[in-house]
Amino acid sequence: KAGVTQTPRYLIKTRGQQVTLSCSPISGHRSVSWYQQTPGQGLQFLFEYFSETQRNKGNFPGRFSGRQFSNSRSEMNVSTLELGDSALYLCASSSGTGAYGYTFGSGTRLTVV
Amino acid sequence: AQSVTQPDIHITVSEGASLELRCNYSYGATPYLFWYVQSPGQGLQLLLKYFSGDTLVQGIKGFEAEFKRSQSSFNLRKPSVHWSDAAEYFCAVGALNNNDMRFGAGTRLTVKP
Repeated sequence: KAGVTQTPRYLIKTRGQQVTLSCSPISGHRSVSWYQQTPGQGLQFLFEYFSETQRNKGNFPGRFSGRQFSNSRSEMNVSTLELGDSALYLCASSSGTGAYGYTFGSGTRLTVV
Repeated sequence: AQSVTQPDIHITVSEGASLELRCNYSYGATPYLFWYVQSPGQGLQLLLKYFSGDTLVQGIKGFEAEFKRSQSSFNLRKPSVHWSDAAEYFCAVGALNNNDMRFGAGTRLTVKP
């Protein structure tokens, strides 16, 4: 069965621009979570969607947003990019609750210049 | 909310030697505990998980972990390390009532020939 697919794998953007990242979860999984990973802050939880509804949100500014579609695919958007947004963005899917473990995608490496 | 501490930022072991990576968690109820491994530039792969029952859990790639409630620990072990085990290892704690999985800061493992 196909894993979690994140596109694109790499992105380079300029400060002030916006970016949209995509995540297709494992077939049948209805929960998608997003994490930001940086060397300084480690893995930080951004938000989680389940059946098109945001269930949990981490401590990130409103420039970070997301959504989930009826087919469970999810997108996250970052507006007005800052240099500090450079990171690996990881998407993880689960059947409904992370208590049973996540399956992660390979991530999108975003570089803001 | 739950939290995780991985006391060791970096560990170096010789190939063939045994390995133990430490993880301490904080959570008021029964925790759901996980170990993930991440190779450079990749997503996280689930090694093993603990929900309940036998406190010694077996995972993939010859890893095992032991849950010790009295010590709030979930240490990862491997009897004989291979060069391909060099990676970053993350301990995580989840809860049944929310989908906010918390990760430790990670332990980077270097394997000496």
